[in-house]
Amino acid sequence: EAQVTQNPRYLITVTGKKLTVTCSQNMNHEYMSWYRQDPGLGLRQIYYSMNVEVTDKGDVPEGYKVSRKEKRNFPLILESPSPNQTSLYFCASTSSLTRVSGPYEQYFGPGTRLTVT
Amino acid sequence: GDSVTQMEGPVTLSEEAFLTINCTYTATGYPSLFWYVQYPGEGLQLLLKATKADDKGSNKGFEATYRKETTSFHLEKGSVQVSDSAVYFCALSRTAYSGAGSYQLTFGKGTKLSVIP
Repeated sequence: EAQVTQNPRYLITVTGKKLTVTCSQNMNHEYMSWYRQDPGLGLRQIYYSMNVEVTDKGDVPEGYKVSRKEKRNFPLILESPSPNQTSLYFCASTSSLTRVSGPYEQYFGPGTRLTVT
Repeated sequence: GDSVTQMEGPVTLSEEAFLTINCTYTATGYPSLFWYVQYPGEGLQLLLKATKADDKGSNKGFEATYRKETTSFHLEKGSVQVSDSAVYFCALSRTAYSGAGSYQLTFGKGTKLSVIP
């Protein structure tokens, strides 16, 4: 079954304690990205990756890191979480970069609800 | 930059009522347009899409037509059910490949729909 998985689904942590949210896809997609969802703000992109070892900032990258060492995995790292990073996080992936035209619909994971106290 | 504006919620309807959720966009070129749905406690699922002017996307009784002249992509359903209760997001991405930005989804803020029996 084609899918994007995230772990953990729920996480409560304290300010400053480093954490990693994992994301994995089994569709051989080159492009992967992270979004955060906040009430009244919709979804905003944090980071994205065009392919292995190629990552770049989205609209709200402050306080986050990512890595892309393997095609299927794209972990999100919070080195020193703060309460303003309490949010619902989604990982997404999309299909081949070799296509010139779209649509570039994205496939989303189930979400990780993070609470930082 | 690109932007999506959708009607403010929440929207509460009785079962079998007609649904319209308005969505307008601002974008350069000819974007692809999407409606995503998020059921309670779940991730986003693609509901329907359209890639060019006058295209009609449809799925599960929902429809939306890509109107270039009014830059709109309104979501409609003739008879809603309780099971349609969810948050609906309008989104766009660029169609022609123009670098990393082509893959980024720009979302509206979401419209929460509640259908009561």
